[in-house]
Amino acid sequence: DAGVIQSPRHEVTEMGQEVTLRCKPISGHDYLFWYRQTMMRGLELLIYFNNNVPIDDSGMPEDRFSAKMPNASFSTLKIQPSEPRDSAVYFCASRENRGEAETQYFGPGTRLLVL
Amino acid sequence: AQSVTQLDSQVPVFEEAPVELRCNYSSSVSVYLFWYVQYPNQGLQLLLKYLSGSTLVKGINGFEAEFNKSQTSFHLRKPSVHISDTAEYFCAVTSFGGFKTIFGAGTRLFVKA
Repeated sequence: DAGVIQSPRHEVTEMGQEVTLRCKPISGHDYLFWYRQTMMRGLELLIYFNNNVPIDDSGMPEDRFSAKMPNASFSTLKIQPSEPRDSAVYFCASRENRGEAETQYFGPGTRLLVL
Repeated sequence: AQSVTQLDSQVPVFEEAPVELRCNYSSSVSVYLFWYVQYPNQGLQLLLKYLSGSTLVKGINGFEAEFNKSQTSFHLRKPSVHISDTAEYFCAVTSFGGFKTIFGAGTRLFVKA
């Protein structure tokens, strides 16, 4: 398996623009997580899905952020409108549904810079 | 609720020296414990995890960690580090019956020649 795939790897945009980050989880994994990593706040869980259904979105910072998982092999995280404080590395991770102790597999991340 | 505290934000060490990265956690329920490593410009990958049984857990790249329930700690150790171990290390917990993993703030290990 190719692992978790994220695109784009880097994104530079201007304040106010819409940003869409994409993730393809490992085939057969039932859980998908979106994280944001910054120097100030570390690694934060934004939202996670089980079987394509959002389970907990309490980490989504505000209404400008939305996430979808239309099928088992694809998820998007959208920021509209983007702001400079959204600049961060966004990670997608997936895991199997064999119990709470299952390992999460992380993608390489999308480095977002909002000017 | 759970929380994870990594006691050192940065640890500089010379090559071939031993290293210990400290992690304490807080939880009202039993937890599973993990250490992940993040190399520059990469995502996190699992080093090791504690589920149950022996409190000493061995992971990849010669790392090991010891679970201490009374001190609620899960410190990571390596007897002799290499330059290639330079990375950021994250301690994490998942509660029994839960699916959210709480990560610590990370410890940046810098191995010097």
